Amino acid sequence: GAGVSQSPSNKVTEKGKDVELRCDPISGHTALYWYRQRLGQGLEFLIYFQGNSAPDKSGLPSDRFSAERTGESVSTLTIQRTQQEDSAVYLCASSLEARGELFFGEGSRLTVL
Amino acid sequence: QKEVEQNSGPLSVPEGAIASLNCTYSDRGSQSFFWYRQYSGKSPELIMFIYSNGDKEDGRFTAQLNKASQYVSLLIRDSQPSDSATYLCALSGAGSYQLTFGKGTKLSVIP
Repeated sequence: GAGVSQSPSNKVTEKGKDVELRCDPISGHTALYWYRQRLGQGLEFLIYFQGNSAPDKSGLPSDRFSAERTGESVSTLTIQRTQQEDSAVYLCASSLEARGELFFGEGSRLTVL
Repeated sequence: QKEVEQNSGPLSVPEGAIASLNCTYSDRGSQSFFWYRQYSGKSPELIMFIYSNGDKEDGRFTAQLNKASQYVSLLIRDSQPSDSATYLCALSGAGSYQLTFGKGTKLSVIP
């Protein structure tokens, strides 16, 4: 596709449920990032994938968070046993060769009740 | 731990004026600097990047980098109401892929 595609755009869930967020990067972009943005706050780095290298998971806030990416394609961010503090917009971005020129998707807005 | 500081604003300027947005950072090893614009309810979009000391101009936008003083700024000339948005400063270190973002400055251009 022409841009980074994320789904779902909105997700409302109950506390304790698991959620899965999907990101389809720009074709040919080897780098893929997940960021979290709480209301009125800046972007918080979560995880980074570059090609077939081991991902940088240093930003994941707890072991309830995990992410996968197959090759240079789709990535999935999974949040288990959701908590209210997980409510945020989850932004995916891709980049050509990790040069810092990130292209963001429209985000997945997660609301945990 | 890299820190990126921005005045949260809001910064209000009249239409047609120059808007000046500033960003300071703590890590002297930072190499690459980016300005992203984020409209309310939308995702960030890249508007400028700068790697070397000095000025870089692109249309109405000028990025200025001073590594010795550890600041980077964005000037918007002939500001338009459509420039009203939050501007995020971001940086990365040498050979690093991880961008650290500031919390952003909210700009309001008054018609």
